[in-house]
Amino acid sequence: DTAVSQTPKYLVTQMGNDKSIKCEQNLGHDTMYWYKQDSKKFLKIMFSYNNKELIINETVPNRFSPKSPDKAHLNLHINSLELGDSAVYFCASSQFLGGAGTEAFFGQGTRLTVV
Amino acid sequence: GENVEQHPSTLSVQEGDSAVIKCTYSDSASNYFPWYKQELGKRPQLIIDIRSNVGEKKDQRIAVTLNKTAKHFSLHITETQPEDSAVYFCAASIKGSARQLTFGSGTQLTVLP
Repeated sequence: DTAVSQTPKYLVTQMGNDKSIKCEQNLGHDTMYWYKQDSKKFLKIMFSYNNKELIINETVPNRFSPKSPDKAHLNLHINSLELGDSAVYFCASSQFLGGAGTEAFFGQGTRLTVV
Repeated sequence: GENVEQHPSTLSVQEGDSAVIKCTYSDSASNYFPWYKQELGKRPQLIIDIRSNVGEKKDQRIAVTLNKTAKHFSLHITETQPEDSAVYFCAASIKGSARQLTFGSGTQLTVLP
């Protein structure tokens, strides 16, 4: 009954590789996000999607490409991985009611290590 | 876009004492202010939230206050316990089509037994 699930939990890969992280929510929310949490614990928003449409694309290298096949899924594909991409990536979802935000539910996180 | 600043970055208190974490936000269009707790190695989880039409909200040992004029809000934890030790994040959500949830930089709270 996991509300927001993302896979894999751990990902170790070499520089230059391409990898994907998958995220699914079963809460019926209309908005999904990707956040990057670095070693200093800062949660930085990367992307926000509403009903499969990109709403926010923060200053993120274009090596990062989100894909939302439907409003329950938001996957993150990363090309040409670099050492600086090592971090924990969190997927989250929430519902906006009348334009107002509500609780965001987070996935378990994916710890990406680039070697 | 929205900018949320959070202070302090670290906070140590003795068990039983109170802890206060403060945040300011930049966009007056923000109308939803949640607080999240993240234990080591786990996902952030909501502990309390407040909307812009309310000045204060309390849930047992936790309370949040909001000053819309000054654009700041605070988390108050009373009678702290060791299990309150975690990283706490404030956040602000802008009303309307932006659909953005912006987090503060986090506060590492340590409750000393």
